[in-house]
Amino acid sequence: EPEVTQTPSHQVTQMGQEVILRCVPISNHLYFYWYRQILGQKVEFLVSFYNNEISEKSEIFDDQFSVERPDGSNFTLKIRSTKLEDSAMYFCASSPGEGGGSGANVLTFGAGSRLTVL
Amino acid sequence: AQSVAQPEDQVNVAEGNPLTVKCTYSVSGNPYLFWYVQYPNRGLQFLLKYITGDNLVKGSYGFEAEFNKSQTSFHLKKPSALVSDSALYFCAVRDKNTGRRALTFGSGTRLQVQP
Repeated sequence: EPEVTQTPSHQVTQMGQEVILRCVPISNHLYFYWYRQILGQKVEFLVSFYNNEISEKSEIFDDQFSVERPDGSNFTLKIRSTKLEDSAMYFCASSPGEGGGSGANVLTFGAGSRLTVL
Repeated sequence: AQSVAQPEDQVNVAEGNPLTVKCTYSVSGNPYLFWYVQYPNRGLQFLLKYITGDNLVKGSYGFEAEFNKSQTSFHLKKPSALVSDSALYFCAVRDKNTGRRALTFGSGTRLQVQP
């Protein structure tokens, strides 16, 4: 079964450092997302990406965050200057276009990247 | 704006008994509704969805959910719980009538099935 893969599984960084989290979405999916989850609690939406641009973002997704799809397969989330409160599990997800059959509208999630900011 | 409420932080049920995990939603238009499950240190796994049609939808692992428009609810049910069903369950919604594709998740309900 196709899956979304994320790297690294765990990253520890110092406050103020830049972090890049990487994701390989399912190959025929068109929509890409980043969510985060703090301490196994609520899953919060960060940003969605379609047709090589941001289609939607939440108030959490401020100027320190950016996303990119540099090579047509990877989808990255960059945090420019990490803060303690950025410590969380970050999930990448992807979904097919409207003609996605039974999978239409379903987001498939990766296993997550745990970010610890010290 | 779209939102989801899961009123119970935790649900405890004995193995073999029926289980219900509650979810209510709020959207300005018509909803797409989803249930996801999360096992420890894992990502979210899709269980089932309501898009249109029959109000009772069936999903993976014997789970089902009933869409109730008048009560704006989408409760998750299973006739006979298994210990292996113990996990964190998330309800999610998307407004069909907006251009948004991102899902809004509830706060999650921890299901504990006792042997």
